[in-house]
Amino acid sequence: SQQGEEDPQALSIQEGENATMNCSYKTSINNLQWYRQNSGRGLVHLILIRSNEREKHSGRLRVTLDTSKKSSSLLITASRAADTASYFCATDAGGSEKLVFGKGTKLTVNP
Amino acid sequence: DAGVTQSPTHLIKTRGQHVTLRCSPISGHKSVSWYQQVLGQGPQFIFQYYEKEERGRGNFPDRFSARQFPNYSSELNVNALLLGDSALYLCASSLPNYNEQFFGPGTRLTVL
Repeated sequence: SQQGEEDPQALSIQEGENATMNCSYKTSINNLQWYRQNSGRGLVHLILIRSNEREKHSGRLRVTLDTSKKSSSLLITASRAADTASYFCATDAGGSEKLVFGKGTKLTVNP
Repeated sequence: DAGVTQSPTHLIKTRGQHVTLRCSPISGHKSVSWYQQVLGQGPQFIFQYYEKEERGRGNFPDRFSARQFPNYSSELNVNALLLGDSALYLCASSLPNYNEQFFGPGTRLTVL
């Protein structure tokens, strides 16, 4: 079963705009990760945020985590057409190495 | 360095047949996990192996089995294929106790 739910399911923006995706989860976690997937291919790890962290940055990516609300957000600034992909949040389901993924947000960046 | 590799890339089978999917982890990674991704959904955990032992199993029927070899490569076997087994099968490897997983390109299985 899916642990997380991403919101929105689909997002279409223009190049240069910011894209924000949200993720909610159900159980306690040790960390939350975001992955990217291009056209049904393998997933690429973007960023990991631990349960004791509130915000993390990596390049144009900014992730926040609110454990009290069991939610996270991924912000991509100054988006590019190459950012077009599906984005998934994944949690460690309470400490195991098994990842539990949401259904994903499909992002389209129009040139 | 080579990433996670999977074979074959695509596979077409008919109902009732058996399939074996293969995965080679990144050099130095001893943990391998398998995920099933149905179209439009996120990946779902099937198995994790570490040092040739099963460390975790997802909510999949006994038709699904896996093993890990001494060189840490892994096989996923699915018996008595059903139409619903059509999916992208992803393999991921990781270092022990390190949650970032590195995914292969996947095997696209179509069951007719």
